[in-house]
Amino acid sequence: NAGVTQTPKFRILKIGQSMTLQCTQDMNHNYMYWYRQDPGMGLKLIYYSVGAGITDKGEVPNGYNVSRSTTEDFPLRLELAAPSQTSVYFCASRPTSGIAYNEQFFGPGTRLTVL
Amino acid sequence: RKEVEQDPGPFNVPEGATVAFNCTYSNSASQSFFWYRQDCRKEPKLLMSVYSSGNEDGRFTAQLNRASQYISLLIRDSKLSDSATYLCVVNMVRGSTLGRLYFGRGTQLTVWP
Repeated sequence: NAGVTQTPKFRILKIGQSMTLQCTQDMNHNYMYWYRQDPGMGLKLIYYSVGAGITDKGEVPNGYNVSRSTTEDFPLRLELAAPSQTSVYFCASRPTSGIAYNEQFFGPGTRLTVL
Repeated sequence: RKEVEQDPGPFNVPEGATVAFNCTYSNSASQSFFWYRQDCRKEPKLLMSVYSSGNEDGRFTAQLNRASQYISLLIRDSKLSDSATYLCVVNMVRGSTLGRLYFGRGTQLTVWP
């Protein structure tokens, strides 16, 4: 299993541009999450999904959108990039049963800079 | 008040030292507790879950005090490879919201030779 994969690894955007951060997991997890981590800070939840077709806002959803059309994919969309969105973005997934229940598995992150 | 608070450090200790990290959480209805480890410029990875009775995994011991809403992580015989940021994580269920993880800012540990 590849686990959770994210693309791209790095990106520089200009103010006002848009982009989609991709996230895919091959563990058949129903729960998926998007976090952002600013320097020296903890992870903040942006959006999450409990299954295909179901998404909900986290703590810091403004400026972002998500969709979940399949179990595997959970893309995060930035419509009008702003410097405040400069951060490291982590996607994670979680099983809903089994020994690893409650453990979140993270992707390697996308480092985004908005100039 | 933040949901999860921990001392950011940094903690700088020599190899072989014992070091302890503390964490407090605000919601008494919190259900599950974890320590994650995050290496520089990498993703967080689960180090260990924390159980009410306390639990040990090799050189690492985690303890939970529900009455005081306090979690601790003890590392004995520190190794250079233990250098990382340690994240205190709490799973909270609020209303109809399914459990979400709330992360502390992390405590940075550097072990020197």
